[in-house]
Formats: sequence, C-alpha cells, structure tokens
Amino acid sequence: DVKVTQSSRYLVKRTGEKVFLECVQDMDHENMFWYRQDPGLGLRLIYFSYDVKMKEKGDIPEGYSVSREKKERFSLILESASTNQTSMYLCASTGNRGLSTEAFFGQGTRLTVV
Amino acid sequence: GESVGLHLPTLSVQEGDNSIINCAYSNSASDYFIWYKQESGKGPQFIIDIRSNMDKRQGQRVTVLLNKTVKHLSLQIAATQPGDSAVYFCAENIGGTGRRALTFGSGTRLQVQP
Repeated sequence: DVKVTQSSRYLVKRTGEKVFLECVQDMDHENMFWYRQDPGLGLRLIYFSYDVKMKEKGDIPEGYSVSREKKERFSLILESASTNQTSMYLCASTGNRGLSTEAFFGQGTRLTVV
Repeated sequence: GESVGLHLPTLSVQEGDNSIINCAYSNSASDYFIWYKQESGKGPQFIIDIRSNMDKRQGQRVTVLLNKTVKHLSLQIAATQPGDSAVYFCAENIGGTGRRALTFGSGTRLQVQP
C-alpha cells in the first residue's frame, strides 16, 4: 500500500517560532511537493523538489523554505511563523516512471499559529 | 501567471441525478489533467485523468471531457450518490516532459441531497 506520511496531524505554534513539517514517502518517487490549502483558494503550491538537494519555488514561497536531503523525505520550514501561515499543509509525491502523473497525498497537517 | 480555475464553488444535486463539475485552464501547453476528490479531513484522492491527445475518458460512473479549443475540462458523475459529496479539484501538469508537477484549481464542493 503506497503511502505518504506527514509527521503531525495537528500543530499549534507561537508567532516567531521556527516550525518544521516533515513528509516521508515510501514509493521511491522522484518528485515531492508542499501545498497549503485555505478555504476558497484550493491547493497552492509552496515549493517542490525534483531530486535530492534540489528545490524549486512554487506560487507562494515567501516565508517558507524546504529541505530534501534524502529522496524519501521532504521538509517544509517556516523560519518565523506568522498568523497568516495558519493553514492546512499537504505534502504530495509523484514518480517519473509510467504514464501517470497521479500525485499521492499525505493526510495533511493543520497548523495554527497563535 | 497562468492558472487553473473552477467556475462554480458549490454544486447541489439530488441523489441519483448526474453531476457536472467544470474547470477552465489557461496554460495551453498543459498536456495532462487530473480530477481529485477530497473528503472532509482527508487528503485529495485521484479520480480520473486525461491526456491532451484525448477529448473524453470514462471510468466507473465518471467521465472527463477535455475541450482544448476553449481550454475547458469537465467531470461528469453519473447517478450521484451521497458518498460523492466532497470537494473536487482539477489539476494540470506543469512539469513538462520528464518532470511531473501539478497545479490545482480552487475546488468545487459537491453536495448530494437525499
């Protein structure tokens, strides 16, 4: 059974804290993504990575950074959390083999910044 | 920038009726599209996909139609059931050949009335 696992389901952090959101996939996928989901705005791409140690900015990278030291793990970092980063964060992965670009998603992390 | 968007934020249908969810895209270079279903508290799940060299694809109770002339995508659900109630997203591949990354529309909530 394929799986994308996010380390936390719910998080509450204080303004100014450094926050790490972890994502691990066991499908040997090359590509990994971080999205945030807000009501009425759908899923917005923050950062993505096509390979280990590679990263590319998505649509809304400001206030975030990422780390991909191993193929299976993709971390999202909020350098100094702010209340406008309260959101649902979704990690996803896709593979380059085969014809499908189906993305597999984690269960999401609901982050509240107070 | 180019984006994927949806026409209707909420669609309410009677159980047993057919549902049609629409999506407009603006990136004429996109060659691959996917529909996802997201139930409350869960990550998005793959429903059906279609490549740009096709104009129709059918699955179990679902059909996706692609009109490249007007850059329009639709998802048709036959005999809608209460379990179909969810938010539906269309997504397009922006990664190009050899790389696969998805950008999503804002979503449509489907409500099935008993």
